[in-house]
Amino acid sequence: RKEVEQDPGPFNVPEGATVAFNCTYSNSASQSFFWYRQDCRKEPKLLMSVYSSGNEDGRFTAQLNRASQYISLLIRDSKLSDSATYLCVVNIGDTGGFKTIFGAGTRLFVKA
Amino acid sequence: GAGVSQSPSNKVTEKGKDVELRCDPISGHTALYWYRQSLGQGLEFLIYFQGNSAPDKSGLPSDRFSAERTGGSVSTLTIQRTQQEDSAVYLCASSLDGYSGDIYEQYFGPGTRLTVT
Repeated sequence: RKEVEQDPGPFNVPEGATVAFNCTYSNSASQSFFWYRQDCRKEPKLLMSVYSSGNEDGRFTAQLNRASQYISLLIRDSKLSDSATYLCVVNIGDTGGFKTIFGAGTRLFVKA
Repeated sequence: GAGVSQSPSNKVTEKGKDVELRCDPISGHTALYWYRQSLGQGLEFLIYFQGNSAPDKSGLPSDRFSAERTGGSVSTLTIQRTQQEDSAVYLCASSLDGYSGDIYEQYFGPGTRLTVT
């Protein structure tokens, strides 16, 4: 089983739609969580961190459920510019060993 | 200010040759990370530096891979006796700090595209 698993995608949605991505992680020692965005042939960029209390940034809402080891990202009122691959990211470890695990990503296509 | 820079941007090498990839992190960032991304695949974590120290090297794919960081700044990833399966984009990222219980954004460089023929 992969340490971080995401919806396979691709998601094809019309402009204005609401779309939700899910991500599960297997390591209970996971400590911090993020959503990154990666455009085609570009480097990943941080979209938002994910906090236990849930957090919102404009049209984007992220949720974390530690008990279920589950992270979600909700995008409201999708724009054409939201088309990208969304990467679920988990940090695991401590000073004796640390790693960042990226999910394989979910591709989103927003169409006019 | 300057972001993370990597060099070369592209590298084509023959199978069996050694290559050295360079990463220059954002000034003041103590944590540095190396990843590999094969075509159409997700990012594979290779190694993490906190300062000059890499506490866990188990993510490196084989003993042909090594990485070092000196002066708490520039890092080099060396691949010896390259194989065709080493072909990928190698991405470097840096953050203010690594593990410290806090959340720090990783800023990525543009990557080095390595092609082994």
